Amino acid sequence: SQTIHQWPATLVQPVGSPLSLECTVEGTSNPNLYWYRQAAGRGLQLLFYSVGIGQISSEVPQNLSASRPQDRQFILSSKKLLLSDSGFYLCAWSVYGDNEQFFGPGTRLTVL
Amino acid sequence: SQQGEEDPQALSIQEGENATMNCSYKTSINNLQWYRQNSGRGLVHLILIRSNEREKHSGRLRVTLDTSKKSSSLLITASRAADTASYFCATGDIQGAQKLVFGQGTRLTINP
Repeated sequence: SQTIHQWPATLVQPVGSPLSLECTVEGTSNPNLYWYRQAAGRGLQLLFYSVGIGQISSEVPQNLSASRPQDRQFILSSKKLLLSDSGFYLCAWSVYGDNEQFFGPGTRLTVL
Repeated sequence: SQQGEEDPQALSIQEGENATMNCSYKTSINNLQWYRQNSGRGLVHLILIRSNEREKHSGRLRVTLDTSKKSSSLLITASRAADTASYFCATGDIQGAQKLVFGQGTRLTINP
């Protein structure tokens, strides 16, 4: 069966520090991968998506970047965090050609 | 940008009652999905209805889709305390990366 992992679960970082959030998927090959951010009490905003290794599409201009160094690994990064980067970050995957997405447990990021 | 708009934003009912949540969207879609999110957790896929379908059932869930009105509803029958969660609609297409656009969600509270 397929599983998706995200770590860390929670993170508190000072403004200006770097960020690296990791997402890995097991049990499937060549998945579509997605990074979302969710503000408190709000819906999900798509940040990045990837249809293959090294292929990253950005949905909104921001202080973040994404990379896909391996087929089932998706990394969200920042060189210098801003207060506005605080939020709940969710990674998801889907089978190519199918619309249903499967979500990881999320990372709660607080920037102080 | 957010396409789906859920209504109401919050709903509180007694256990055993039925809960109805509505979703409206703006553009043509290939399918519409409903997801559930328990507090502080990732999203879980509930049901997908395609644009050529009008109604779909899954257990205590009933989803309708009216493409002429660009709206959908999710009905949970015989609600239970464990149904307490946020519910999101998401519209999707089958093009490219099969991106989803999420609404702001409805916070459902089931009172025992």
